[in-house]
Amino acid sequence: DADVTQTPRNRITKTGKRIMLECSQTKGHDRMYWYRQDPGLGLQLIYYSFDVKDINKGEISDGYSVSRQAQAKFSLSLESAIPNQTALYFCATSDTRDSSTDTQYFGPGTRLTVL
Amino acid sequence: RKEVEQDPGPFNVPEGATVAFNCTYSNSASQSFFWYRQDCRKEPKLLMSVYSSGNEDGRFTAQLNRASQYISLLIRDSKLSDSATYLCVVTRATSGGSYIPTFGRGTSLIVHP
Repeated sequence: DADVTQTPRNRITKTGKRIMLECSQTKGHDRMYWYRQDPGLGLQLIYYSFDVKDINKGEISDGYSVSRQAQAKFSLSLESAIPNQTALYFCATSDTRDSSTDTQYFGPGTRLTVL
Repeated sequence: RKEVEQDPGPFNVPEGATVAFNCTYSNSASQSFFWYRQDCRKEPKLLMSVYSSGNEDGRFTAQLNRASQYISLLIRDSKLSDSATYLCVVTRATSGGSYIPTFGRGTSLIVHP
């Protein structure tokens, strides 16, 4: 089984709808991240969380919110989706105990289309 | 200026060729450096960390030049399976003293027969 899972894998929705993307991990890592990727723009950090009580905005948090329900779960919400939020969304984890590398482990991604 | 800059390519090379990518970063206080590989529509995966002394993993060699603020990736004897996008990642400090990653836009490599 995959260590970092994301649901749904694909979603098509309409402008104005509320959407939640979910991420779960079995790696036991304390840090979790949400990124979006647009063609030609690389990955942009939306929110990150270093533990359940620590949530921080990334580069492009406007229009998004997150919830860290448990160490293993980190959800991303779009309260009122708009077409320019159409993108590929990745969740990632890392481990503060692995301070020498802080390797990011990514989920398979969620492809979101907002019509 | 973007924090982490890469030439998007594509770099189109024949099998067996040697190819090199550079990545520049703007924050001189950046702490850690990495190369990730991303296949089309898939998640990025760590290829290798980059250390000040340089490091090698098989056909791949990574170098860090802190004075000039760039890192490089050299791929020798390119294989068809090396075709992918290579992402440069640099960590930057947050106001709380932790470090978070910043990704470059990636360099596309196409290895042809």
